[in-house]
Amino acid sequence: DGGITQSPKYLFRKEGQNVTLSCEQNLNHDAMYWYRQDPGQGLRLIYYSQIVNDFQKGDIAEGYSVSREKKESFPLTVTSAQKNPTAFYLCASGSYEQYFGPGTRLTVT
Amino acid sequence: AQSVTQLDSHVSVSEGTPVLLRCNYSSSYSPSLFWYVQHPNKGLQLLLKYTSAATLVKGINGFEAEFKKSETSFHLTKPSAHMSDAAEYFCVVTANRDDKIIFGKGTRLHILP
Repeated sequence: DGGITQSPKYLFRKEGQNVTLSCEQNLNHDAMYWYRQDPGQGLRLIYYSQIVNDFQKGDIAEGYSVSREKKESFPLTVTSAQKNPTAFYLCASGSYEQYFGPGTRLTVT
Repeated sequence: AQSVTQLDSHVSVSEGTPVLLRCNYSSSYSPSLFWYVQHPNKGLQLLLKYTSAATLVKGINGFEAEFKKSETSFHLTKPSAHMSDAAEYFCVVTANRDDKIIFGKGTRLHILP
């Protein structure tokens, strides 16, 4: 069953803690993306990776970090430097037609 | 440079009536255009795509869209709305396989009983 998975679905953290969101795909896509979604603002690109061991900043990369050690995996770390981390985070793969994971809702208090 | 504008942030229609969600784009090159749907707390699902073949594109769940180059539009339509169509819809443009993917800000579709 091909697809893209994100875990966990809901995540709660205290302010000042780093947190890592998982994204895995078995679609054999080279490109993977992380988006942040806030109400009324659509999707904003955080980071993307076109190939293993390489990634680029998107429009709102400050306070986030990523790694791409394997083709299948593209984890996102939300660091304590991110001023407003509470949001819905979406991972996608595919450089043309994108396939999305189910999302992770992060709440930081 | 590319951009995409969804002209309405909210659209409300009665069940059984037609749906029209408007999208205008700007692109320096021949664009590829997509419509995605997102139900609450879910990921995005591809509804349909235009890739320079037929200008009238049919998608899933009875939706279709027409590419009009002269109007730089790619509006999404459905003849008869169903309660399950209530969701947020995103129009997306990209110029080629290696170019940036640009998302519209979304249109929330409300279906009235």
